[in-house]
Amino acid sequence: EAQVTQNPRYLITVTGKKLTVTCSQNMNHEYMSWYRQDPGLGLRQIYYSMNVEVTDKGDVPEGYKVSRKEKRNFPLILESPSPNQTSLYFCASSSTQNSPLHFGNGTRLTVT
Amino acid sequence: AQSVTQPDIHITVSEGASLELRCNYSYGATPYLFWYVQSPGQGLQLLLKYFSGDTLVQGIKGFEAEFKRSQSSFNLRKPSVHWSDAAEYFCAVGAPGGYQKVTFGIGTKLQVIP
Repeated sequence: EAQVTQNPRYLITVTGKKLTVTCSQNMNHEYMSWYRQDPGLGLRQIYYSMNVEVTDKGDVPEGYKVSRKEKRNFPLILESPSPNQTSLYFCASSSTQNSPLHFGNGTRLTVT
Repeated sequence: AQSVTQPDIHITVSEGASLELRCNYSYGATPYLFWYVQSPGQGLQLLLKYFSGDTLVQGIKGFEAEFKRSQSSFNLRKPSVHWSDAAEYFCAVGAPGGYQKVTFGIGTKLQVIP
């Protein structure tokens, strides 16, 4: 089954404790991206990747890092999480640059 | 840069009634347009998309949307709503030729009453 898999689904952590949210897709998509969803703000793009070792900032990249060492994986790294990064995070992939996005089921992060 | 406006944050309709969710975009040329649906606890699923050609596009689950260039709109419609349509709906716009620059609206939450 074609899918985007994110882990974990829920994560509660404390300020400053580094964490990684994993994302993997099995569709051989070149393009992957991360979004955060906040009430009243919709989805905002954090980072995106056009291919292995090619990444760029989206609209709200501050406080986040990404890497794309393999085509299928695109982890999101929070080196020093803060409470304002409490949010619902989605990973997405697509086959071409403006093809419809395939989304994971989301990761709900709470930073206390 | 493109932008998307979904003017209705919440909409309540009765089951069996018709539905129209509004979406207005701002972009200098003809954009790519999408509607996604998000059920509780789930990721977003594509309902339909418009890239070019026929301005009335059909999607899954009986939804359709009409691109109106003169009004910069891409409203989503369904003739008869089912209780299972209760969800949040997002309009999104992409810039042709621009990589992955898809901008989402803030969403419209649809409640369906029996």
